[in-house]
Amino acid sequence: AQSVTQLDSQVPVFEEAPVELRCNYSSSVSVYLFWYVQYPNQGLQLLLKYLSGSTLVKGINGFEAEFNKSQTSFHLRKPSVHISDTAEYFCAVSANNNDMRFGAGTRLTVKP
Amino acid sequence: DAMVIQNPRYQVTQFGKPVTLSCSQTLNHNVMYWYQQKSSQAPKLLFHYYDKDFNNEADTPDNFQSRRPNTSFCFLDIRSPGLGDAAMYLCATRSRRAPTDTQYFGPGTRLTVL
Repeated sequence: AQSVTQLDSQVPVFEEAPVELRCNYSSSVSVYLFWYVQYPNQGLQLLLKYLSGSTLVKGINGFEAEFNKSQTSFHLRKPSVHISDTAEYFCAVSANNNDMRFGAGTRLTVKP
Repeated sequence: DAMVIQNPRYQVTQFGKPVTLSCSQTLNHNVMYWYQQKSSQAPKLLFHYYDKDFNNEADTPDNFQSRRPNTSFCFLDIRSPGLGDAAMYLCATRSRRAPTDTQYFGPGTRLTVL
């Protein structure tokens, strides 16, 4: 079975600063990796996904993530955050897309 | 342009009183999922339908049931809600055309149990 660990439960950062949200996974088979964002009282919205190919994946809202197989990581980055990026971010892993496992989430708070 | 619709967005029920949450989709996706998300926790898969085939997670309580009368609709029935069932319930869909397709989530229904 697959599992996901999000290393930071909360990340406070000032507006226009860079941010990295960390995600590590474990699996005995090849996996697909995802980052979702959840705004208060809303469902999950896909930011980006890694399926195969280039290890650097670009998503919406200026986010990107890098798949590192040797370190089993899929960290999410943004070079300059906005107040509107304040939300909960979930990393997820799936081996067959029918069994998606989510991390516990990282609450990103962007301060002015 | 709503693709995955959940009704109601907020539901209040009493301890032990059955409640039904609704999900509909305009995507014509074969696969539909129900997740439970408690406060400050990750979404947890309860079950999913692959077309009409029902797949229950091993640790989903018997108190939770689901129905999928057609491709577009899926219902979550909680037969006797307890205080511990208060959570956000998320519906998601996926097309089975390619295994790498993404799950599309609805906005969720927040259930309060009094």
